[in-house]
Amino acid sequence: EAQVTQNPRYLITVTGKKLTVTCSQNMNHEYMSWYRQDPGLGLRQIYYSMNVEVTDKGDVPEGYKVSRKEKRNFPLILESPSPNQTSLYFCASRLAPSSYNEQFFGPGTRLTVL
Amino acid sequence: GQQVMQIPQYQHVQEGEDFTTYCNSSTTLSNIQWYKQRPGGHPVFLIQLVKSGEVKKQKRLTFQFGEAKKNSSLHITATQTTDVGTYFCAGGGGNEKLTFGTGTRLTIIP
Repeated sequence: EAQVTQNPRYLITVTGKKLTVTCSQNMNHEYMSWYRQDPGLGLRQIYYSMNVEVTDKGDVPEGYKVSRKEKRNFPLILESPSPNQTSLYFCASRLAPSSYNEQFFGPGTRLTVL
Repeated sequence: GQQVMQIPQYQHVQEGEDFTTYCNSSTTLSNIQWYKQRPGGHPVFLIQLVKSGEVKKQKRLTFQFGEAKKNSSLHITATQTTDVGTYFCAGGGGNEKLTFGTGTRLTIIP
């Protein structure tokens, strides 16, 4: 089944403790991105990648890192999480970078930083 | 930068009533997509509009793209409980940029 997977689905952590949220897609998509969803703010893009080893900042990149060493994987790294990073995170992918392509979302990761 | 606003933020309707959400961009868009997120779920692609003035229908859902390609709307006729969720528009900037709107959360009163 074609899908985007994320792990973990739920995570409670403490300020400053490094964490990684994994994302993987099995559709051979070139483009992948991370979003955070907060009430009243919609979906805001954190980082995106147009292909292997090509990443760029989205609209809210502060406090996050990403890497794209393989086409299928796009992990999101929080080196020193803070409470304002408590949010619902979605990984997404699409066939090619063009905005004309349909975007597929993972199931989401609900992160709480205490 | 490109900004996409949606109104209303929330909408509560009686089952059977109609529902409309509006999407407005600060810049001219190349394309607009609509997504639906069920409660507890993830956004799922519904449709894409590309042409100025384009209208597309999916059963009870009607999607419009404005003549100036700066606004769009989603109208649901005779809502059902299965329509519950948050509806997002996403505007394309002609490159890889796809900016999501703030979303409209629809709740249905049975």
